[in-house]
Amino acid sequence: GQNIDQPTEMTATEGAIVQINCTYQTSGFNGLFWYQQHAGEAPTFLSYNVLDGLEEKGRFSSFLSRSKGYSYLLLKELQMKDSASYLCAVDNTDKLIFGTGTRLQVFP
Amino acid sequence: NAGVMQNPRHLVRRRGQEARLRCSPMKGHSHVYWYRQLPEEGLKFMVYLQKENIIDESGMPKERFSAEFPKEGPSILRIQQVVRGDSAAYFCASSPSQANTGELFFGEGSRLTVL
Repeated sequence: GQNIDQPTEMTATEGAIVQINCTYQTSGFNGLFWYQQHAGEAPTFLSYNVLDGLEEKGRFSSFLSRSKGYSYLLLKELQMKDSASYLCAVDNTDKLIFGTGTRLQVFP
Repeated sequence: NAGVMQNPRHLVRRRGQEARLRCSPMKGHSHVYWYRQLPEEGLKFMVYLQKENIIDESGMPKERFSAEFPKEGPSILRIQQVVRGDSAAYFCASSPSQANTGELFFGEGSRLTVL
């Protein structure tokens, strides 16, 4: 079976750091993606991990541990515009399988 | 360089009618994926197509739903005899190759409301 778990909601304060976790159990694995989706808009690509370790891209970083079936997305110096849903997705060899998404609310 | 284009953006249908959703992939992309998103939920995979071929339709309901990606023209997701439970946002995504070699580029989605 395919199972991708993320928290449903998180809140944080402007300027803070937040970590969104994702655990997965899938029949295939060719990498893990994080997407950002603002309400009513298309998902947009944030990061991709295929090897263990941390990938840093500006204020956003993503970590992967394949042995643990675990990833996290780290957002630093939070801004109000970061309020959105963050979708964890596993490349299952021929398609991406998405988790339910984590809705992040950033407060002033 | 136009992104993935979906139309219509909003579609209202009465129960029993047909809904046709269109998706034009990014230029140079030959792989198309359809996903459904219910309110407050994640993206559920429906079908993966290449030109003139359905590669994986494991997420498509067995009845009333069909998809095609002809040699010429956009990909079409067709829902016959719609029911209220079909109300959702339908997202199309494209890639230049299979998902395991790159990211997916999403369209803005088509929001179907069934009355």
